[in-house]
Amino acid sequence: GENVEQHPSTLSVQEGDSAVIKCTYSDSASNYFPWYKQELGKGPQLIIDIRSNVGEKKDQRIAVTLNKTAKHFSLHITETQPEDSAVYFCAAIQAGTALIFGKGTTLSVSS
Amino acid sequence: ETGVTQTPRHLVMGMTNKKSLKCEQHLGHNAMYWYKQSAKKPLELMFVYNFKEQTENNSVPSRFSPECPNSSHLFLHLHTLQPEDSALYLCASSQAGTGGTEAFFGQGTRLTVV
Repeated sequence: GENVEQHPSTLSVQEGDSAVIKCTYSDSASNYFPWYKQELGKGPQLIIDIRSNVGEKKDQRIAVTLNKTAKHFSLHITETQPEDSAVYFCAAIQAGTALIFGKGTTLSVSS
Repeated sequence: ETGVTQTPRHLVMGMTNKKSLKCEQHLGHNAMYWYKQSAKKPLELMFVYNFKEQTENNSVPSRFSPECPNSSHLFLHLHTLQPEDSALYLCASSQAGTGGTEAFFGQGTRLTVV
């Protein structure tokens, strides 16, 4: 089955800096890679996703890159703000199966 | 609101109790999931239902019993739990079988076993 590794487990940045979170996956058949943000007391919410036929996707301050050959993908947050502080999870999925998540990264943005 | 509603939000139960967690989705999805989130193993997949049929049981102890009476409702029946079962239980839904799509999560049920 799929196994997703996520690094780092904690990340502290100053407001305005960039933050990068990296994930690797094991199953080359996986074709969908979402990123979720979880705030305290809430369920995870999708912030951006990428499919295996795309190498990069951007949405305002957030971008995701995918390297299928190396089986890794990364989340990039630019111009970080205090409200970006949360736990971020990467995940991987094959068609018709359930999301398998990484262990999460706790991002702290200090002003 | 994500369109996935879980009740109750908080539950405290003794080890000999029987309780049920409820999940309802209003998104017209055909797949529903139970995840367990604890400090030691974040977002651990427990059960998967596609078109009301259980397609995955991720080696979950029998003291957890899922039920999916229709594609909009999912239950998790709990009995004779252990203190280590204390965690946040998250329900999610998605439109499965179309090449991977977004899963929408509920707010979760915070379970404490005493």
